[in-house]
Amino acid sequence: KQEVTQIPAALSVPEGENLVLNCSFTDSAIYNLQWFRQDPGKGLTSLLLIQSSQREQTSGRLNASLDKSSGRSTLYIAASQPGDSATYLCAVVSGGGADGLTFGKGTHLIIQP
Amino acid sequence: EAQVTQNPRYLITVTGKKLTVTCSQNMNHEYMSWYRQDPGLGLRQIYYSMNVEVTDKGDVPEGYKVSRKEKRNFPLILESPSPNQTSLYFCASSLSGGLATEAFFGQGTRLTVV
Repeated sequence: KQEVTQIPAALSVPEGENLVLNCSFTDSAIYNLQWFRQDPGKGLTSLLLIQSSQREQTSGRLNASLDKSSGRSTLYIAASQPGDSATYLCAVVSGGGADGLTFGKGTHLIIQP
Repeated sequence: EAQVTQNPRYLITVTGKKLTVTCSQNMNHEYMSWYRQDPGLGLRQIYYSMNVEVTDKGDVPEGYKVSRKEKRNFPLILESPSPNQTSLYFCASSLSGGLATEAFFGQGTRLTVV
């Protein structure tokens, strides 16, 4: 059964720093990997979707990479801002495609002003 | 605006009183699903639907029912809620079943069963 792990569970950094969030998964036979952001009391906002055939995706200050063979993904946030404070979730779709997303438990990120 | 809408956002109910949480999407997506989020356990899939009249169990289906009579709606039904179903619930949709398509989530429904 697919398992997704995110490290670290929590991270606090000063504003302006570049940072990396890590995600690993046990079964490399995935269809895609998606990074989400969750703010307190709100739903999940999709940040980046990486297809299994892709190596990375970029959106503004965010860059996500995927190494399917090693079961790893990273989310790189450049020039962090206080507004980036949130919980970041990594999720993969695997199995026969009918399966839903398997989520990691998230990284709680705090950007100090 | 493309969105997934859940109602209600907050609900407090008593054990055994049947309730329904509605979910609607306006993107003509085929695939819809329900998740629950619990501290320390993360998000887990309850049920999913590949299309109208096609539903199947996820990882934690016990105590829940769903139906998919129309493409846009996917209600979650708790026939006899119990306190262990106190949780934060999310509805999600995507264009097709998992394959390389982005998932969109509703704002969540916080359910408390007393």
